[in-house]
Amino acid sequence: GAGVSQSPSNKVTEKGKDVELRCDPISGHTALYWYRQSLGQGLEFLIYFQGNSAPDKSGLPSDRFSAERTGGSVSTLTIQRTQQEDSAVYLCASSSDNEQYFGPGTRLTVT
Amino acid sequence: EDQVTQSPEALRLQEGESSSLNCSYTVSGLRGLFWYRQDPGKGPEFLFTLYSAGEEKEKERLKATLTKKESFLHITAPKPEDSATYLCAVQADGYALNFGKGTSLLVTP
Repeated sequence: GAGVSQSPSNKVTEKGKDVELRCDPISGHTALYWYRQSLGQGLEFLIYFQGNSAPDKSGLPSDRFSAERTGGSVSTLTIQRTQQEDSAVYLCASSSDNEQYFGPGTRLTVT
Repeated sequence: EDQVTQSPEALRLQEGESSSLNCSYTVSGLRGLFWYRQDPGKGPEFLFTLYSAGEEKEKERLKATLTKKESFLHITAPKPEDSATYLCAVQADGYALNFGKGTSLLVTP
């Protein structure tokens, strides 16, 4: 079946601009996660959605970052007023139990 | 604070030369330990989940084991296509995964 998809695959933006990253989880998966992978760093948890429950936002690095999940499916991660340190690969994962399946990621470059 | 340390950072093997990758962890209340494979420019690919000390899982040339302090990913007779970065992650109280920095494996013909 179809895996997790993310768009765009690459995004180049100017410092100060807002960006939106999209994630389509595996059909039927109730849990959705966003992670960030910076050069030389491990994957860093950002936010977690489970069904209709309030999201776990404990990993968001600043209030410039936000995410929503509409209809329990597609999710959008928004970064406002981007900074150069936001440059990274943003990965989305979904799960139906404990095993998380990742998408290919969006590579964000802030110039 | 939960910590996950992987070693070595990089490993170069000849084809057929078996070896092991290590993942040491410090976590209160382990819910699961996960191994992923990541190829350049791609997202992590799920390999194994281990839940309790003594548990072992195998897939082709890979075998993962778990103790109370560490996990090993054993690679038997590796092939060049096994070259990738192998990531270890732990899941504790919440549902988020806490990842190590990975081991970059290169298998040469």
